[in-house]
Amino acid sequence: ETGVTQSPTHLIKTRGQQVTLRCSSQSGHNTVSWYQQALGQGPQFIFQYYREEENGRGNFPPRFSGLQFPNYSSELNVNALELDDSALYLCASSQDIQETQYFGPGTRLLVL
Amino acid sequence: QKEVEQDPGPLSVPEGAIVSLNCTYSNSAFQYFMWYRQYSRKGPELLMYTYSSGNKEDGRFTAQVDKSSKYISLFIRDSQPSDSATYLCAMSASSGAGSYQLTFGKGTKLSVIP
Repeated sequence: ETGVTQSPTHLIKTRGQQVTLRCSSQSGHNTVSWYQQALGQGPQFIFQYYREEENGRGNFPPRFSGLQFPNYSSELNVNALELDDSALYLCASSQDIQETQYFGPGTRLLVL
Repeated sequence: QKEVEQDPGPLSVPEGAIVSLNCTYSNSAFQYFMWYRQYSRKGPELLMYTYSSGNKEDGRFTAQVDKSSKYISLFIRDSQPSDSATYLCAMSASSGAGSYQLTFGKGTKLSVIP
């Protein structure tokens, strides 16, 4: 059974640019959640997708958006990048909304 | 006041010691409590998952939840150098939309010295 995978592993962007991060959920999982983890902090919830619909959102501005595809993989898009967006972006999948979340290795984004 | 408070450490112990990690929380709606282990530059890995108050044991790990005090703990017995990592507590409650978002503590960095 393949776990949660994320791409790319590292990314460097400049302020104002846009970025797309990708996540493949674990086999049999229909729910994907995205988190932002700044250095020295715990992960912060961005949003969750369940069966291709957004199902809850944390305290993040609209320039953070996402998609979930029919195969339950997901994308996180961030527009108009700011320096404070530099962080580890984590994707977690679960079998259903209420089930345990399993995390991928993350994408480390650096905004210069 | 943050919803979940966790002492970031760092915590350094000799090999074989018993380690105690703790979190406090303020949101009474939290029902599910988890401990994740995160090695440097990796994603969090689920260690323990508990629902409601009480103890849960898995090998060298014991998780305790005291909902009346809003306090959770993770104990590691016979600690090993391979236990050196950051330990994150996480909690969840059902939001109005039915999303089970996790709220994390800052993490405690643990070093087990051989």
